[in-house]
Amino acid sequence: GNSVTQMEGPVTLSEEAFLTINCTYTATGYPSLFWYVQYPGEGLQLLLKATKADDKGSNKGFEATYRKETTSFHLEKGSVQVSDSAVYFCALSDAIGNQFYFGTGTSLTVIP
Amino acid sequence: DAMVIQNPRYQVTQFGKPVTLSCSQTLNHNVMYWYQQKSSQAPKLLFHYYDKDFNNEADTPDNFQSRRPNTSFCFLDIRSPGLGDAAMYLCATSTRSGSSQYFGPGTRLLVL
Repeated sequence: GNSVTQMEGPVTLSEEAFLTINCTYTATGYPSLFWYVQYPGEGLQLLLKATKADDKGSNKGFEATYRKETTSFHLEKGSVQVSDSAVYFCALSDAIGNQFYFGTGTSLTVIP
Repeated sequence: DAMVIQNPRYQVTQFGKPVTLSCSQTLNHNVMYWYQQKSSQAPKLLFHYYDKDFNNEADTPDNFQSRRPNTSFCFLDIRSPGLGDAAMYLCATSTRSGSSQYFGPGTRLLVL
């Protein structure tokens, strides 16, 4: 079956530190992969996505590369800001059903 | 701006008193989803509509129903809310299976 395993949090970083949030997946076929961000009290916002192997999604300084060989889609940012404090969800869609499979979420707090 | 709108943002109801949450979209997307999200957890899919076709998740309680009278609107009806139904309810849309989902801001339901 399909599933997403995400690095557990919470993660606390100082401003300008390097961020990595690990995400690995199990899927049949060729899924699309996503990172969503959720700020307190808000819905989920699409941060970036990749639809095929070796694609790199990027947005707002965040990047993730679809690695089929390691079944991974790790989120990275070179220099985090206080405003990046949020919960980050990795997700996959198998393009067969209409369902997303979410990871458990990783809470990030960035301190000045 | 095209968007997903949820009303109200906060809803308080009494134990056992029916409540309806609404979602509208200006994206003209075919698929609409309802998720339940409890504190510090990933969103849990309750059901979705692909156009007029309703798809219920196997573990969604019968207490939860949905209506989609037209492309733009979708409603979540909770027939007899229990204390355990207190959560954030998220509506999302997508153009088709496998594509990005776009979320509304959510409705936080409190059951007294």
